[in-house]
Amino acid sequence: AQSVTQLGSHVSVSEGALVLLRCNYSSSVPPYLFWYVQYPNQGLQLLLKYTSAATLVKGINGFEAEFKKSETSFHLTKPSAHMSDAAEYFCAVSLKYNNNDMRFGAGTRLTVKP
Amino acid sequence: DVKVTQSSRYLVKRTGEKVFLECVQDMDHENMFWYRQDPGLGLRLIYFSYDVKMKEKGDIPEGYSVSREKKERFSLILESASTNQTSMYLCASRPPTGVRGDTQYFGPGTRLTVL
Repeated sequence: AQSVTQLGSHVSVSEGALVLLRCNYSSSVPPYLFWYVQYPNQGLQLLLKYTSAATLVKGINGFEAEFKKSETSFHLTKPSAHMSDAAEYFCAVSLKYNNNDMRFGAGTRLTVKP
Repeated sequence: DVKVTQSSRYLVKRTGEKVFLECVQDMDHENMFWYRQDPGLGLRLIYFSYDVKMKEKGDIPEGYSVSREKKERFSLILESASTNQTSMYLCASRPPTGVRGDTQYFGPGTRLTVL
């Protein structure tokens, strides 16, 4: 079975600083990997996804993530944080041909300080 | 754009009540899901359905049941609500495998409080 670990339940950065949210996965077969964002009192919105094409994936709102098989990681980055990025972020993994079994990390709450 | 709607944003019920949470999607997706979200635990799958009248248990089905009579609608039922079912409930839908990279689309969530 596949699983996801998000390092750090809370991350705080200053506006304009680099955002780095960490995600490590385990999977016995090639995975699909996802980052979702959840703004207060809303559902989850897809930020980006890796589906075995390019290892560097660009998403919405200036976010990107790099799939590193050797490190089993899929960290999310953004060069310059904006106040509107404050939200909770979830990393998720599913098997390539069985997306009905998607596993989510515990989430990382990002705070952006002015 | 895909739209997934949930019948209530906030719901307060009493212990022992039967609770229905409704989810509707407008994209003719075969697959639909119910998750609960709790702080520090992320999202945990309760049930999913891959077709009308078909259902599969997820990781935490105890105390819940589901109904899928029409393709666009997936209902979560708490037969006898308990305080430990106080949580945020999220519905999602997904197109068939291989379409759109298997992305799941989420509704806004229902925050259920059981007193």
